[in-house]
Amino acid sequence: DTAVSQTPKYLVTQMGNDKSIKCEQNLGHDTMYWYKQDSKKFLKIMFSYNNKELIINETVPNRFSPKSPDKAHLNLHINSLELGDSAVYFCASSFQNGLTDTQYFGPGTRLTVL
Amino acid sequence: QKEVEQDPGPLSVPEGAIVSLNCTYSNSAFQYFMWYRQYSRKGPELLMYTYSSGNKEDGRFTAQVDKSSKYISLFIRDSQPSDSATYLCAMSSGGYQKVTFGTGTKLQVIP
Repeated sequence: DTAVSQTPKYLVTQMGNDKSIKCEQNLGHDTMYWYKQDSKKFLKIMFSYNNKELIINETVPNRFSPKSPDKAHLNLHINSLELGDSAVYFCASSFQNGLTDTQYFGPGTRLTVL
Repeated sequence: QKEVEQDPGPLSVPEGAIVSLNCTYSNSAFQYFMWYRQYSRKGPELLMYTYSSGNKEDGRFTAQVDKSSKYISLFIRDSQPSDSATYLCAMSSGGYQKVTFGTGTKLQVIP
């Protein structure tokens, strides 16, 4: 059983297009995250949602818009894609019970903008 | 100065060696310390988690936290080729605060 799943796994698109990445977790976690990992493997948080509410919003261009229809899903929509958006995007989830922030990651979506 | 510093490597060791991976940090509010392992083209997976200072052992893996020095370590005993991966340290002050990751150290264990 997949704990945190993302679709699509690979995404190749042209500059200027709009695309979405979907994430679902079946762990019963309250908090979900989007991370961007660049070519140097640096993993940087973009957004965090707790029970469908936005709690962390790092300095991310407003072309990126997360949407959480319920606490098991967190989607990422990207408008007007740019070359610099090429990266691997990871979704993650955690219990966020105050004792631990251990996060469980999805397999990643490799986005290539041409 | 980055909040979390980690040597990117790569680090190559022979099979059976003891591996030492380290991170330093600047934020004294960090209380939760984690190590994640990331295989190539996969998502990071939690390896070890510790709260505050001290040691924690799990099989061949030992995590150490020295809050006075703002220094954390991961030791891998009897390293195996299957340990070849990128190891990311991560830390947080807890609650709803974000987890800050190091840049990762790429480890290669040579048979």
